[in-house]
Amino acid sequence: QKEVEQDPGPLSVPEGAIVSLNCTYSNSAFQYFMWYRQYSRKGPELLMYTYSSGNKEDGRFTAQVDKSSKYISLFIRDSQPSDSATYLCAIPLFSGGYNKLIFGAGTRLAVHP
Amino acid sequence: DADVTQTPRNRITKTGKRIMLECSQTKGHDRMYWYRQDPGLGLRLIYYSFDVKDINKGEISDGYSVSRQAQAKFSLSLESAIPNQTALYFCATSDREVGQGGGHSPLHFGNGTRLTVT
Repeated sequence: QKEVEQDPGPLSVPEGAIVSLNCTYSNSAFQYFMWYRQYSRKGPELLMYTYSSGNKEDGRFTAQVDKSSKYISLFIRDSQPSDSATYLCAIPLFSGGYNKLIFGAGTRLAVHP
Repeated sequence: DADVTQTPRNRITKTGKRIMLECSQTKGHDRMYWYRQDPGLGLRLIYYSFDVKDINKGEISDGYSVSRQAQAKFSLSLESAIPNQTALYFCATSDREVGQGGGHSPLHFGNGTRLTVT
């Protein structure tokens, strides 16, 4: 079983829709959960991170962690064409003496006008 | 101007050739990383370096080597390229360990090199 699993999509939604992006993970000891956004032909950039359980909101974006289900979500409200990108979940895994980021496969999102 | 610069942006090479991908950064970070990205597999760590004298293998280092020429420069070499090394390659930096302490030190990525091995 992979440490982090993410449906690669693609996901296509109309402008204004609520988008839900999800990942599952295998290790109940994970504490930090990140979302990176990657535009076409660009490197990923950190969008949001959360620690432990609960929700974190930043504008139209909400990151949610359900540790009992080992499930993390990113919600995008009032989606815009500029949100079209690949979204990658990432979790630090302590291995070999340091934390390294384990990435999900990424979900490609297209928001059409 | 980009803080993390990768060259070249695109490269096509033949099987068996030696090639080098270069990365330079102006962020002043000690930690640098090389990742490859493949469809459906996400980003996988090839090598990482915590300072000029500290270089370590990641999860998929076979067939690759690296050189940390200075704090700001970290290059990735494919000694004898093979077709399954066709991928997007990203360099990244961070100022401290990811997920450290009470916060998170993000990775800062370059814009990648698209490598095709024929």
